[in-house]
Amino acid sequence: NAGVMQNPRHLVRRRGQEARLRCSPMKGHSHVYWYRQLPEEGLKFMVYLQKENIIDESGMPKERFSAEFPKEGPSILRIQQVVRGDSAAYFCASSPRDTQETQYFGPGTRLLVL
Amino acid sequence: QKEVEQNSGPLSVPEGAIASLNCTYSDRGSQSFFWYRQYSGKSPELIMFIYSNGDKEDGRFTAQLNKASQYVSLLIRDSQPSDSATYLCAVNRGGSYIPTFGRGTSLIVHP
Repeated sequence: NAGVMQNPRHLVRRRGQEARLRCSPMKGHSHVYWYRQLPEEGLKFMVYLQKENIIDESGMPKERFSAEFPKEGPSILRIQQVVRGDSAAYFCASSPRDTQETQYFGPGTRLLVL
Repeated sequence: QKEVEQNSGPLSVPEGAIASLNCTYSDRGSQSFFWYRQYSGKSPELIMFIYSNGDKEDGRFTAQLNKASQYVSLLIRDSQPSDSATYLCAVNRGGSYIPTFGRGTSLIVHP
């Protein structure tokens, strides 16, 4: 029973490039959440998605960041024109339909912007 | 005032002792409370969740919730060096799917 999967695990980008982070939820889970964690800081909520729907994006920066969860395939967090301040660990979590509050985290993607 | 507050630590306890981790929250509408463990460089791992006032025990872990005082705590009995990690408290407002996380408390269990 595979857990939440994220790839890549490590991503290096130069300023101005695009970063694409992928997340596959646990089998049977239909809710996906993205978080960002900066060094020495707590987890900050970014966006909550269900299949083909963005439910809550109140934590997403207004520019350069977008997320999707298509009918088929993984959820994608996209960061356009990355800047050094985007360097962080990005975690995806998923939850099952019937216990939406209990979230299980993936291993994360460590993004480094040079 | 931060919504979910934790002492950053580090909290240092000897092996075999009880480690007590505390978390306070500001939103009286909070309904669900979670403790996650995060090893350095790894992802958060759910340890326990609690919804009702009182204690909930699972093995060496006990979560305690006091809604009137707006705090939730995690006790780890017979602490082991492998328990050394950062412990994150997370709180959900009733009807919300989005938890608010504290910054975490670093626990060090020394032999």
